[in-house]
Amino acid sequence: DAKTTQPTSMDCAEGRAANLPCNHSTISGNEYVYWYRQIHSQGPQYIIHGLKNNETNEMASLIITEDRKSSTLILPHATLRDTAVYYCIVRVRSLRGAQKLVFGQGTRLTINP
Amino acid sequence: SAVISQKPSRDICQRGTSLTIQCQVDSQVTMMFWYRQQPGQSLTLIATANQGSEATYESGFVIDKFPISRPNLTFSTLTVSNMSPEDSSIYLCSVDLTDNEQFFGPGTRLTVL
Repeated sequence: DAKTTQPTSMDCAEGRAANLPCNHSTISGNEYVYWYRQIHSQGPQYIIHGLKNNETNEMASLIITEDRKSSTLILPHATLRDTAVYYCIVRVRSLRGAQKLVFGQGTRLTINP
Repeated sequence: SAVISQKPSRDICQRGTSLTIQCQVDSQVTMMFWYRQQPGQSLTLIATANQGSEATYESGFVIDKFPISRPNLTFSTLTVSNMSPEDSSIYLCSVDLTDNEQFFGPGTRLTVL
């Protein structure tokens, strides 16, 4: 299973773009990069995913490097509600084909007023 | 999307007892997943539950300690058996609905005294 490396914590000012990096140097060709976040005491929430192209949705943008060894999640205009732990996950398949998620330690993002 | 509920939302139990956690989904799903999140830690997958077959357990988790039932396509239970304080965690179920994202329940916060 490909592993991911993220900074332990980051701070960002409210209204600014929050850029969260992730290294996944051992990712294989058919593995996707997923981002989830967990707001305190809640279940994780899906944000975005991608394979090789940059992706954007209503929540965030995902920039994946050409060699796919790293990616950056961008929250374009961070608000206080974006304070959470953000997990970068490389999606794997178990032996029975189930799509399990392997969580690392994540980045604790704090948005400051 | 999927709406997932868990019961109980929290409980305080005595060591040596067992607790059964229920997970209900508002749509039929093939795979359900059970995760554990110990205090201050990330999520760890316990097992994958497929309707009609035995659950598949991850390394470090065994059926005698965490028996799982999956009687139909919308429901699953996880039992934490013979509990010790080390079992104090948040237990979360999730479903893989669209093959693009997993939806998580709100979690069950367990404290073992």
